[in-house]
Amino acid sequence: DAGVTQSPTHLIKTRGQQVTLRCSPKSGHDTVSWYQQALGQGPQFIFQYYEEEERQRGNFPDRFSGHQFPNYSSELNVNALLLGDSALYLCASSLETGVNYNSPLHFGNGTRLTVT
Amino acid sequence: AQKITQTQPGMFVQEKEAVTLDCTYDTSDPSYGLFWYKQPSSGEMIFLIYQGSYDQQNATEGRYSLNFQKARKSANLVISASQLGDSAMYFCAMREQTGANSKLTFGKGITLSVRP
Repeated sequence: DAGVTQSPTHLIKTRGQQVTLRCSPKSGHDTVSWYQQALGQGPQFIFQYYEEEERQRGNFPDRFSGHQFPNYSSELNVNALLLGDSALYLCASSLETGVNYNSPLHFGNGTRLTVT
Repeated sequence: AQKITQTQPGMFVQEKEAVTLDCTYDTSDPSYGLFWYKQPSSGEMIFLIYQGSYDQQNATEGRYSLNFQKARKSANLVISASQLGDSAMYFCAMREQTGANSKLTFGKGITLSVRP
């Protein structure tokens, strides 16, 4: 049973560029959330996708956008990269998290983005 | 206001001994879930244990137990018989059930080092 998979594992970009990160949820899961984790900090919620729509969004600018595909996989796009966007980006999947608040999120290994 | 507080500095424990990692939280929602995750240096967030706000008994999962004191709003993680592989960052997180609010709010984490 495949868990949450993310690609790429590492990425180096230059300020002003755009980046796309990808995530495949755990088999059977239909909801994908994205988190940003700066060095030495806890993960911060970016947004969540369910049924191909953004269901909830954290305090992140519009430069951060996403998409969910019919097969439940998801992409995170960041435009006009800033140095402060350097972080570990974690994808998490679950099943109908809007209904069950006791459902644990299953995380991938993350994509480490470095902006120079 | 900070919703999840983890204020312990780096923690050290001798192999085979027990250790307690502290977590306090703040919420006005009567329905919520508390989670602990482990993050090794590889970056993956590994779900350890869950406690629901209405659960009467403290949660246990193998060597992990949660000391839930609702009136004090604390949810401390106890790891018994520490192993070298327990060395990692540990995050306390909360999910509130307010409408479709399903994001996880994380604390800043605690670094645990197990000494041989």
